[in-house]
Amino acid sequence: SQTIHQWPATLVQPVGSPLSLECTVEGTSNPNLYWYRQAAGRGLQLLFYSVGIGQISSEVPQNLSASRPQDRQFILSSKKLLLSDSGFYLCACYRTGGRYEQYFGPGTRLTVT
Amino acid sequence: KQEVTQIPAALSVPEGENLVLNCSFTDSAIYNLQWFRQDPGKGLTSLLLIQSSQREQTSGRLNASLDKSSGRSTLYIAASQPGDSATYLCAVEGGGADGLTFGKGTHLIIQP
Repeated sequence: SQTIHQWPATLVQPVGSPLSLECTVEGTSNPNLYWYRQAAGRGLQLLFYSVGIGQISSEVPQNLSASRPQDRQFILSSKKLLLSDSGFYLCACYRTGGRYEQYFGPGTRLTVT
Repeated sequence: KQEVTQIPAALSVPEGENLVLNCSFTDSAIYNLQWFRQDPGKGLTSLLLIQSSQREQTSGRLNASLDKSSGRSTLYIAASQPGDSATYLCAVEGGGADGLTFGKGTHLIIQP
């Protein structure tokens, strides 16, 4: 079965600073990968998804961007953070085995000050 | 655009009670529905997955039902325990590669 790693686990950044969050997946190849954000008082929101290297689809216009430089690596970035970027960022893929069940990583808690 | 609503937003019950969490969605053209559990500060743990052609799924003390035509799902928890305390999230998938649409969750507290 696959494992999703997210780095870092927590991050405190000032407004206007850059951001890079990393997600790596083990135990599967060519996965569909997803970035979600959970902001305080709001539900989980899909930000980006990728069906392959270099292929990124954005669901919500915002201050963030995503890249997929390798098959099992998904990166979330920003050039200048806003207060509203604070939240819990989760990376996900489909669990292998044919059940099409989404499997989530441990998340990164981002606080923008 | 798909919208998912969960009722109630919060629920507190004594240990041992059976309880039902509700989820509704606006677009019945779904591929599947998942129920997740989220502990404070943690990621999501998948509890049950119901394919669109299925009516229910069971795992231990959990039973989830799906009525696709009416846009509703319920999660039934039998003989609740303090360890069941968590936020329970419902999510639907539309069938493309574009991920899940989530409800805001039900925050459940089981009192010892």
